[in-house]
Amino acid sequence: EADIYQTPRYLVIGTGKKITLECSQTMGHDKMYWYQQDPGMELHLIHYSYGVNSTEKGDLSSESTVSRIRTEHFPLTLESARPSHTSQYLCASSAGTGRGYTFGSGTRLTVV
Amino acid sequence: DAKTTQPPSMDCAEGRAANLPCNHSTISGNEYVYWYRQIHSQGPQYIIHGLKNNETNEMASLIITEDRKSSTLILPHATLRDTAVYYCIVRVSKNQAGTALIFGKGTTLSVSS
Repeated sequence: EADIYQTPRYLVIGTGKKITLECSQTMGHDKMYWYQQDPGMELHLIHYSYGVNSTEKGDLSSESTVSRIRTEHFPLTLESARPSHTSQYLCASSAGTGRGYTFGSGTRLTVV
Repeated sequence: DAKTTQPPSMDCAEGRAANLPCNHSTISGNEYVYWYRQIHSQGPQYIIHGLKNNETNEMASLIITEDRKSSTLILPHATLRDTAVYYCIVRVSKNQAGTALIFGKGTTLSVSS
């Protein structure tokens, strides 16, 4: 049973649209992360948060933005989607140092 | 970039032990070694982690060399469902508030009957 939920699972959207990918966890974890993964490629960290009102950019530059208003929610927003944003976006959370990450099932985004 | 080196692919016969190596020669004293796997682009699944002692759980064993420059993940009896990409990761400190996992390319393990 998943404790971290991502919606939608699949999304096909037109260029220029604003989209928000949802990520919610029920484990009370302070730390949450967004990774981007192209097919057959490695995961790249794009955003992370260590708690409410804390967000940082990851190693891969991304035009997306994130917010952390509540512990359980860590949504990712693209103000104007482009075909180059087509990818899979994976959300994860962690209880802290020395603990593993729990990943969601991902959102597969296609911008046409 | 991830500070680990893994072979790009490995094969294993069903029922045999799968031994997946990882080099992390620049690891520092307080960095953990984590292993995850990813099946069919699903979200990665945590397998095991360790600092300097060998570790075992219901999924696998982790053997870390005494100098901590390399480690081996052991799946004792591989099954077809263990076919996946296996990532060896060293936690990278981002700032004083905590750390984040940096993934590399991993090893694609193919288990065949």
